[in-house]
Amino acid sequence: QVQLVQSGAEVKKPGASVKVSCKASGYTFTNYHIHWLRQAPGQGPEWLGIINPISGGTTYAQRLQGRVTMTRDTSTTTVYMELSSLRSEDTAVYYCARRYCDGGSCYSDFWGQGTLVSVSS
Amino acid sequence: DIQMTQSPSSLSASVGDRVTITCRASQGISNYLAWFQQKPGKAPKSLIYAASNLQSGVPSKFSGSGSGTDFTLTISSLQPEDFATYYCQQYRSYPVTFGGGTKVEIK
Repeated sequence: QVQLVQSGAEVKKPGASVKVSCKASGYTFTNYHIHWLRQAPGQGPEWLGIINPISGGTTYAQRLQGRVTMTRDTSTTTVYMELSSLRSEDTAVYYCARRYCDGGSCYSDFWGQGTLVSVSS
Repeated sequence: DIQMTQSPSSLSASVGDRVTITCRASQGISNYLAWFQQKPGKAPKSLIYAASNLQSGVPSKFSGSGSGTDFTLTISSLQPEDFATYYCQQYRSYPVTFGGGTKVEIK
């Protein structure tokens, strides 16, 4: 069965960086792009970007350009999201989600369990 | 960016009620619209994609409709396990954007 298993909770100080992992299993890793999203307390999800697991090509949300980096390791079927220059507003649960395409419709079908990132001095 | 507006932001309903949630896009998105259910402390769960296609394993009491800018999610007979927050999401273009959510509570 499809599984996306994320790394554990992180506590960081302002200005630091965090790297969250998402290990995929139960499907052919290189066949599906992976989205990264986050959800601040009491808010709806916010899209951060997407990575192509074959090429490593990425598209990032403009508001995070320069602070977010997504990478992948095909040997371990793991994708990573690193966010730098952390601020208190980056406190959120971070999710990875698989992009599944049915015909021309590509949507997020499976999500990881989430990783809480807390930023506090 | 495409703005997604959901209404209502919350509603109270009883077991067995028929519930309808609406979502409006700030510009036409064809049928590139998904609906998710989220329970407290859990990741969102996919319910519907392409506006009206039921995700595998999702019960048929959930249905979606619409195209262009106006969409609806309907739960035909609300059950205790359906009390949750529901989000619409457009994936017509990046950045992917979500509605503000509709919290369905027990009356």
